[in-house]
Amino acid sequence: IAGITQAPTSQILAAGRRMTLRCTQDMRHNAMYWYRQDLGLGLRLIHYSNTAGTTGKGEVPDGYSVSRANTDDFPLTLASAVPSQTSVYFCASSDSKVSSYNEQFFGPGTRLTVL
Amino acid sequence: GQNIDQPTEMTATEGAIVQINCTYQTSGFNGLFWYQQHAGEAPTFLSYNVLDGLEEKGRFSSFLSRSKGYSYLLLKELQMKDSASYLCAALDSNYQLIWGAGTKLIIKP
Repeated sequence: IAGITQAPTSQILAAGRRMTLRCTQDMRHNAMYWYRQDLGLGLRLIHYSNTAGTTGKGEVPDGYSVSRANTDDFPLTLASAVPSQTSVYFCASSDSKVSSYNEQFFGPGTRLTVL
Repeated sequence: GQNIDQPTEMTATEGAIVQINCTYQTSGFNGLFWYQQHAGEAPTFLSYNVLDGLEEKGRFSSFLSRSKGYSYLLLKELQMKDSASYLCAALDSNYQLIWGAGTKLIIKP
């Protein structure tokens, strides 16, 4: 059982290029999340999905888009990358977003550098 | 606005006890989480508190005071492997986790 996988592990990208970060979970969790983590800042929510077919905007959604065609996959797309999107990106999942006990399980992260 | 405050860095000695404090201000409150994150790795769940009081889990304990907007994580019998960042996160009324920047804990022999 893998839990949550992310791909790629790391990527260097030229500014202006399009990039999709992949995330797959095998725990049949309803909710999934994308965060970015920057030095000195807490995890910041980019987008989330309460269940397959629905998505919502988090704290820092600009420049990013997501889709949730099925339960397992939650890709994050940068339509036209900019240097300020250089960060470590974590995908996470939980059984339900609308629940007090909302333990989130994290993928290993993708380290993205935009030049 | 919503805010989580925790110290940036703490240092402690192997075998000792350390307390990491966290204060929070959120729109509503549905619980307080602590996660551990080793350098270069993903965060992993440590504890959850929603009622006032102390929750003990082995060498780690977590305390919550809802009236004071305050929590702490207590680590006993520190081991070198406890060197990591400890993230405090509060669940607001919309069930969104608000994360602190993390406390980097350095353990010295």
